[in-house]
Amino acid sequence: DIQMTQSPSSLSGSVGDRVTITCRASQTISSFLNWYQQKPGKAPNLLIYAASSLQSGVPSRFSGSESGTDFTLTISSLQPEDSATYYCQQSFSTPYTFGQGTKLEIK
Amino acid sequence: EVRLVESGGGLVQPGGSLRLSCAASGFTFSTYPMNWVRQPPGKGLEWVSYISTSGNTIYYADSVKGRFTISRDNARNSLYLQMHSLRAEDTAVYYCASIETTLPWGQGTLVTVSS
Repeated sequence: DIQMTQSPSSLSGSVGDRVTITCRASQTISSFLNWYQQKPGKAPNLLIYAASSLQSGVPSRFSGSESGTDFTLTISSLQPEDSATYYCQQSFSTPYTFGQGTKLEIK
Repeated sequence: EVRLVESGGGLVQPGGSLRLSCAASGFTFSTYPMNWVRQPPGKGLEWVSYISTSGNTIYYADSVKGRFTISRDNARNSLYLQMHSLRAEDTAVYYCASIETTLPWGQGTLVTVSS
């Protein structure tokens, strides 16, 4: 099975800050990497697909990148509504696996 | 509007069975692979099962293999998850989702396994 190691598990930032969340795959997954945002009591919402493609309707302050088996989600300028838990997920092969999640708090 | 709506969750005793449904609308359901993903209360996301567009290819997580059965009815635009021999650790919100595409997920249905 492909392991997805996500870090950090939690972080906090102020409005306007730039923050980065990383995910490392245990083996190559090509670009089959999604990033989701989940708010309490809601379903996960797709932010980035294919490692770096912005989902329609998602603000442009969200971006994704990849370098080998390392993947990064960047929020360029934090907004209050970005408070949520973020997950990475590989869809390269089953069992599809998720990162452990990163809880983002806005100070 | 693209929608996935799960139903069928509820309280069930350990060892019991439950059938979840997911009704799709607003897109051509038969052309999308589908999955079930679950999330125990306060925990992370766990993929459960995959079914191809035709239903000919199916995969399961080891944790549910032999107990859960995924199926779909493309004529009814519906996805199903039949769950048997339920355990406390199966307690979770169950989502239907086309993980391989950009379709939005359903809102989820809560399954609680408890005596």
